[in-house]
Amino acid sequence: AQRVTQPEKLLSVFKGAPVELKCNYSYSGSPELFWYVQYSRQRLQLLLRHISRESIKGFTADLNKGETSFHLKKPFAQEEDSAMYYCALSYNFNKFYFGSGTKLNVKP
Amino acid sequence: NAGVTQTPKFQVLKTGQSMTLQCAQDMNHEYMSWYRQDPGMGLRLIHYSVGAGITDQGEVPNGYNVSRSTTEDFPLRLLSAAPSQTSVYFCASSFGTGYSPLHFGNGTRLTVT
Repeated sequence: AQRVTQPEKLLSVFKGAPVELKCNYSYSGSPELFWYVQYSRQRLQLLLRHISRESIKGFTADLNKGETSFHLKKPFAQEEDSAMYYCALSYNFNKFYFGSGTKLNVKP
Repeated sequence: NAGVTQTPKFQVLKTGQSMTLQCAQDMNHEYMSWYRQDPGMGLRLIHYSVGAGITDQGEVPNGYNVSRSTTEDFPLRLLSAAPSQTSVYFCASSFGTGYSPLHFGNGTRLTVT
């Protein structure tokens, strides 16, 4: 079975503090990992994906195959980062499995 | 481009009623899918389609039917609504090749009383 675990339902940090949203996955093959974000009153949208090795809005995510993790990090959180974040796993190009989400609250 | 369009935005049903949630995309995406979003459970895949005429079940398909007669449309049918189907429903599409990301609709909030 494929599973994506996000252990934190809510993460609160102060503006300017570092933030790390945890994501662990279980899959026997070589999946692709994504982070999606849902800002208030907006649709879910792609934040970043592992295969692109990109940094979006200051966020990065490193795939650790040994620990089967894909944690999302940002060195200095901003208030506009407050949103719901979902880690997702894709395999066979067609199926996506999502974690339960972490709500990030960045306090002023 | 409209992207992925879902209708209606809100719906209230009584137990036992049936309805269809509409989803359309104008990006020529082969892959389309339906998710439900419940508190504490994230998004769970209901049904998906890899092209016109081809559909398959996801994690939670019971109580839902889909069809894909065109590339653009992928309606989700609730045959006999139950309170357990109260949820927010999202339609998503992608090119379905390589590791192309999903594009989501705005969601439909369904309440079954």
